[in-house]
Amino acid sequence: GAVVSQHPSWVICKSGTSVKIECRSLDFQATTMFWYRQFPKQSLMLMATSNEGSKATYEQGVEKDKFLINHASLTLSTLTVTSAHPEDSSFYICSAGDPSTDTQYFGPGTRLTVL
Amino acid sequence: QKEVEQDPGPLSVPEGAIVSLNCTYSNSAFQYFMWYRQYSRKGPELLMYTYSSGNKEDGRFTAQVDKSSKYISLFIRDSQPSDSATYLCAMSAVSSASKIIFGSGTRLSIRP
Repeated sequence: GAVVSQHPSWVICKSGTSVKIECRSLDFQATTMFWYRQFPKQSLMLMATSNEGSKATYEQGVEKDKFLINHASLTLSTLTVTSAHPEDSSFYICSAGDPSTDTQYFGPGTRLTVL
Repeated sequence: QKEVEQDPGPLSVPEGAIVSLNCTYSNSAFQYFMWYRQYSRKGPELLMYTYSSGNKEDGRFTAQVDKSSKYISLFIRDSQPSDSATYLCAMSAVSSASKIIFGSGTRLSIRP
């Protein structure tokens, strides 16, 4: 199946710093990518939908100025957590929609720990 | 009421048993139904994808969709310890490559 990568796989940062997470679709072009957040033993919560070349659509309750999303190309979307705080510590997962197969593929996730 | 309801478990069964996982939903616009498997600290992996009502079989896995009852199921035959994971149902009204709504996930443990 198609592969979606995320980088880094884990990151530890100090409170107040910004962290960038990359999501790449390796063998298909994704016009739409999605960013999720998952707390321990909970399901995936959609944060935003990212469309190539346009502004991301954020879900209710997600601060767009805190979670900056950029989808500059058909194979790359980035999530930047700005001025991170300990409550932002979570597992962040991206996914990419492959329109040719009508399938959504998920990345391996990035574990963020804010000290 | 959540759009998609799924019993979080945990569910523990002996190796070789048949496992039945279920979800109910309230949005009649859902047309695309997926089951994902997620191992601890990993991203979800697509297991089964069904469009509209009906059954779909893939090896030891069978997915069923009953749109009249707004009820979907995943059956795992001859369960193995390697099947121990969290299983998430997911649904979409547009396509499975578009915005999807997840259930809360069921944690499954297969005892050797």
